[in-house]
Amino acid sequence: AQTVTQSQPEMSVQEAETVTLSCTYDTSESDYYLFWYKQPPSRQMILVIRQEAYKQQNATENRFSVNFQKAAKSFSLKISDSQLGDAAMYFCAYRSARGNFGNEKLTFGTGTRLTIIP
Amino acid sequence: DTGVSQNPRHKITKRGQNVTFRCDPISEHNRLYWYRQTLGQGPEFLTYFQNEAQLEKSRLLSDRFSAERPKGSFSTLEIQRTEQGDSAMYLCASSLHGAKPQHFGDGTRLSIL
Repeated sequence: AQTVTQSQPEMSVQEAETVTLSCTYDTSESDYYLFWYKQPPSRQMILVIRQEAYKQQNATENRFSVNFQKAAKSFSLKISDSQLGDAAMYFCAYRSARGNFGNEKLTFGTGTRLTIIP
Repeated sequence: DTGVSQNPRHKITKRGQNVTFRCDPISEHNRLYWYRQTLGQGPEFLTYFQNEAQLEKSRLLSDRFSAERPKGSFSTLEIQRTEQGDSAMYLCASSLHGAKPQHFGDGTRLSIL
């Protein structure tokens, strides 16, 4: 079974600075997807960024980028120019790419609470 | 695209009662997923549907839990004889198809008295 580990329960960063959230995972599969989701307080989970394991190039979405190290099974999220609206719980998630039927569930880490200091 | 809608937002019930939650996915999304999230944890997968077919169920989904998606549109999640341990946020997500990202609703928070 796949597992996802987020070892930083809480992180804080000054507004406009850069912060990196860590995620490691364990799998025996070679083809999979990795995601970062953001969950603001009392609001819905929002997809931040997605990475396909077969792609060597790291995904980027505006101020958000990932450092995907497949051999190390590491998938960190970098947030540049942090804004107050970035304050949220951030979850790393894994999904198998094996077949289209079954194996579609997301396996989440325990999350990292990010605080933005004005 | 009105997003995934879940009702009710909050449900408070006494132990032993039955509860039912509803999820309306994004229009034309054929995949629908249910997750459960307890305080301080990430969501845990419960079950998912492709159209009206239930394709996978987690071992977390005991025989007190049942989910349906009768016409391949909205879905219901029923919990019978609720227990204290059922207190959680129940999240629904949908996707256009299996390879596309999942979009989440606001969730239904269940509190058992």
